[in-house]
Amino acid sequence: AQSVTQPDIHITVSEGASLELRCNYSYGATPYLFWYVQSPGQGLQLLLKYFSGDTLVQGIKGFEAEFKRSQSSFNLRKPSVHWSDAAEYFCAVAPRTNAGKSTFGDGTTLTVKP
Amino acid sequence: GAVVSQHPSRVICKSGTSVKIECRSLDFQATTMFWYRQFPKQSLMLMATSNEGSKATYEQGVEKDKFLINHASLTLSTLTVTSAHPEDSSFYICSAQTGTLGDEQYFGPGTRLTVT
Repeated sequence: AQSVTQPDIHITVSEGASLELRCNYSYGATPYLFWYVQSPGQGLQLLLKYFSGDTLVQGIKGFEAEFKRSQSSFNLRKPSVHWSDAAEYFCAVAPRTNAGKSTFGDGTTLTVKP
Repeated sequence: GAVVSQHPSRVICKSGTSVKIECRSLDFQATTMFWYRQFPKQSLMLMATSNEGSKATYEQGVEKDKFLINHASLTLSTLTVTSAHPEDSSFYICSAQTGTLGDEQYFGPGTRLTVT
């Protein structure tokens, strides 16, 4: 069965500092990989996705993620965090046969200090 | 493009009653819609996959008689929570996918259900 692990439940960074959110997955083959952001009481917004090709993926709001097959990881990064980035971040995987049937990690809560 | 709406955004109902949540794709046709449940401070759990014109496929452990899903058109899926109990209180999120299975899913804003 596929699974997603986000080791960090809560991360606090200062505004302007760099950010890395970790995501590891367990899956029989290379899945589709996603990062979503969720503000309190809201739905999910897709930040970026990896289907194939370049393993460094650029997303919205200045985020990027790198797929590392050897480490089964898909870590999310941002060089300079803004206060508005404070939210819940979810990593998700889905089979290549159906990108919609996603399994989500438990999420990482990002707090941004002024 | 690719906007998904949910109605209502919040609903409070009494224990034992039923409540219907609508999920609409506003600017595209969604052959497949998904229903998720999210408990406070937790991740999303896929409840069921809904295909237009056919019966929904439920994930293991989800009671299909309690969570009735109807996907009557290419732009509308409904989730009805029947005989609701306080433990059904949760945040329900739908998502929609276009005809290509390789497509990503687009999420609705969620519905907060509180059962008193």
